[in-house]
Amino acid sequence: NAGVMQNPRHLVRRRGQEARLRCSPMKGHSHVYWYRQLPEEGLKFMVYLQKENIIDESGMPKERFSAEFPKEGPSILRIQQVVRGDSAAYFCASSSKGQNYEQYFGPGTRLTVT
Amino acid sequence: DAKTTQPPSMDCAEGRAANLPCNHSTISGNEYVYWYRQIHSQGPQYIIHGLKNNETNEMASLIITENRKSSTLILPHATLRDTAVYYCISISSNTGKLIFGQGTTLQVKP
Repeated sequence: NAGVMQNPRHLVRRRGQEARLRCSPMKGHSHVYWYRQLPEEGLKFMVYLQKENIIDESGMPKERFSAEFPKEGPSILRIQQVVRGDSAAYFCASSSKGQNYEQYFGPGTRLTVT
Repeated sequence: DAKTTQPPSMDCAEGRAANLPCNHSTISGNEYVYWYRQIHSQGPQYIIHGLKNNETNEMASLIITENRKSSTLILPHATLRDTAVYYCISISSNTGKLIFGQGTTLQVKP
């Protein structure tokens, strides 16, 4: 029973490029959450999605960041025109029923912006 | 969502029980208490959660005080692999998002 999968595990981008982070939830899970962990800091919630819907994006930066979870395929976190401050670990979590059910985390994608 | 407070660090001897406290004095009636841990820089791992009754699973036990203003996570026989940052999180049933604090860094020593 595969867990949450994220790819790539490591991603290097130059300033101004785009970063695409993918998350495949656990089998049977239709709720996906994205969190960001800046160096030496705690995890911060970014966005909560259900299939084809954004439920809560209160933690998303207003510009350059977007997320989707299409009917088919993985959830995508997209960062346009990356800057050095976007360098962080991005974790995806999934749950079977959303609110009030435990979330299972993937191994994360470590984004480095040079 | 209620704010939680935890000691920044704790030590525990290998094989002994690790008792990690958490204060959540502003918790409301429908807010659950969740515990997660993060080993080194891996993805956080779910441990246990509860509302008002004590809970136990294969990893740990969760003791919640009667007034629900504090709780204790108990790892009954700590091993070196339990060295991690432990997060106590309260979460409203309306949101689903986890609000992580600074957590407690547990160091299990041989």
